[in-house]
Amino acid sequence: DQQVKQNSPSLSVQEGRISILNCDYTNSMFDYFLWYKKYPAEGPTFLISISSIKDKNEDGRFTVFLNKSAKHLSLHIVPSQPGDSAVYFCAAIGAGGTSYGKLTFGQGTILTVHP
Amino acid sequence: DVKVTQSSRYLVKRTGEKVFLECVQDMDHENMFWYRQDPGLGLRLIYFSYDVKMKEKGDIPEGYSVSREKKERFSLILESASTNQTSMYLCASSLSGADTEAFFGQGTRLTVV
Repeated sequence: DQQVKQNSPSLSVQEGRISILNCDYTNSMFDYFLWYKKYPAEGPTFLISISSIKDKNEDGRFTVFLNKSAKHLSLHIVPSQPGDSAVYFCAAIGAGGTSYGKLTFGQGTILTVHP
Repeated sequence: DVKVTQSSRYLVKRTGEKVFLECVQDMDHENMFWYRQDPGLGLRLIYFSYDVKMKEKGDIPEGYSVSREKKERFSLILESASTNQTSMYLCASSLSGADTEAFFGQGTRLTVV
């Protein structure tokens, strides 16, 4: 039972344009959401996070939006650069219950930014 | 900077061998995790530890065990390696709580032949 879902396995965009990566979740106990970036043969690196009390968090070119009623979040990258090409993982942490303190990840989306 | 170090980048083991994957973190984090990454499946949690000698099963614990005798070290053990355990294994650590990011090691690519 996939509690965090990234339904787009891949996304291709042109350099300078916006990249939008989407993520849906089903567990109502999830309270904190994160995006990670991963290059081949390396561990994931933290990008940006958002608490459930907010609907937007911005850090430079990266913005995460949270729609709690729809159980949906998205990562916007503007402008996209070729160096952004990587696998992006959405993750969620629960505020209580069996999901407390543990990161649950989506399947990942491969982003390719073309020069 | 937080550093999470996994003992090997690449490992090749034979079916039936006992395999140890070691992970060390240097930031006094309470939580430590072992995940495996497979194409199309994302990162799946194998085991989680929230304190020394404390552990919880994740989503796919079958065929694995863990050991945490010291706060900074978390070991993943494959009791009898099988070919379906060929994967990328990722260790992570974080502070306790529900609103903190985890930091990952560089990963161990394990091939079981």
